[in-house]
Amino acid sequence: AIQMTQSPSSLSAAVGDSVTITCRASQGIRNDLGWYQQKPGRAPKLLIYAASSLQSGVPSRFSGSGSGTDFTLTITSLQPEDFATYYCLQDYNYPWSFGQGTRVEIK
Amino acid sequence: EVQLVESGGGLVHPWGALRLSCAASGFTFSGHWMSWVRQAPGKGLEWVANIKPDGSEKHYVDSVKGRFTISRDNAKNSLYLQINSLRGEDTAVYYCARASRWPISGYFYYGMDVWGQGTTVTVSS
Repeated sequence: AIQMTQSPSSLSAAVGDSVTITCRASQGIRNDLGWYQQKPGRAPKLLIYAASSLQSGVPSRFSGSGSGTDFTLTITSLQPEDFATYYCLQDYNYPWSFGQGTRVEIK
Repeated sequence: EVQLVESGGGLVHPWGALRLSCAASGFTFSGHWMSWVRQAPGKGLEWVANIKPDGSEKHYVDSVKGRFTISRDNAKNSLYLQINSLRGEDTAVYYCARASRWPISGYFYYGMDVWGQGTTVTVSS
């Protein structure tokens, strides 16, 4: 099974900052990777699919990049509503697997 | 409105069984892959299972193989998860999700773009 490792596990940032979250796959997954945002007590929300394609309705301050084993999610100009936990998910092959999550907290 | 609504969660004894349901509305259910994802208390997300639109293909995470069965009834716009031989580590919120596919450069990419609100399964004696 493919292991997904996210870093950092948590970070503190201020409104207006830019942040980058990294996800590394234990083997190559082409660009079959998505990014999800989850707020406490809520269902996850799809932000990015195919590593870099922005899901409809998601603000353009979210962007994704990467291919193979290394991927990044970047949030430019953090907004108050962006403080949440972010997960990557590889859907290259089964079993699909999530990273352990990155909690973005307010500094 | 595109919507998924789960039901069927509850408190169950170890080795017990439950059937979770997910009612879909607002989209062509029979045209989509569907997924179950769970989240143990205070933990991260774990993908559990997927099913093809016509039900002919199913995939599971290793930890539930032989105990969980994903199924669907396209006539009823419903997704199910039969969970047997429950263990404490199965305690979680279970979400159903629509796994959409988008064509890019001749390849299809997945994304779970619609989620239910979740149903809670608690395994305890």
